[in-house]
Amino acid sequence: QVQLVQSGAEVKKPGASVKVSCKASDYTFTSYGIGWVRQAPGQGLEWMGWISTYNGHTNYAQKLQDRVTMTTDTSTSTAYMELRSLRSDDTAVYYCARTRMVVAATIDDYWGQGTLVTVSS
Amino acid sequence: QSVLTQPPSASGTPGQRVTISCSGSSSSIGSNTVNWYQQLPGTAPKLLIYSNNQRPSGVPDRFSGSKSGSSASLAISGLQSEDEADYYCAAWDDSLNGRVFGGGTKLTVL
Repeated sequence: QVQLVQSGAEVKKPGASVKVSCKASDYTFTSYGIGWVRQAPGQGLEWMGWISTYNGHTNYAQKLQDRVTMTTDTSTSTAYMELRSLRSDDTAVYYCARTRMVVAATIDDYWGQGTLVTVSS
Repeated sequence: QSVLTQPPSASGTPGQRVTISCSGSSSSIGSNTVNWYQQLPGTAPKLLIYSNNQRPSGVPDRFSGSKSGSSASLAISGLQSEDEADYYCAAWDDSLNGRVFGGGTKLTVL
């Protein structure tokens, strides 16, 4: 059964960095990309970006592109999202999703359980 | 302020049919396909509809999607209590070169 298991909750101080992991299982990791979405407390969903697990190509949301880096380790079927220079408004639950980008469609059919990142002094 | 506009709330009684709208622009919904997601309280989003009107395997045919111009709709027929959740639309936006979400609609089953 396809699963994406994310790392545990984090508490960080403003200005610090956080790196969230997303370990995939029961499918061919390099056949699907990984997308990242976050959700601030009580708020809606915000797309952060996407990485191709095949060639490492990335596409980041414009408002985050200076602070975010997405990577993968194909040897362990794990994707990573690092966010730098954290601010209080980065406090959110961060989700990874298995994502297939085909012509005229984005299919993100399996999601991780979410990782709560709290930014507080 | 979300790029895609959804009503903040919707409601219906069991068995009823409800629709949720999602309004975008020529650079988002007008040029690209729409996905819909269901998010139950405290859980990750679940893909309900992709490519405007396609259901992933396992999604009941009570859920259907449509698109016209720069707007899209999600319809839920035979409403059930377990459909009470937040629903989000999403699409690619060519001017932002990224995906955008609607603000979400909280569906209450009365």
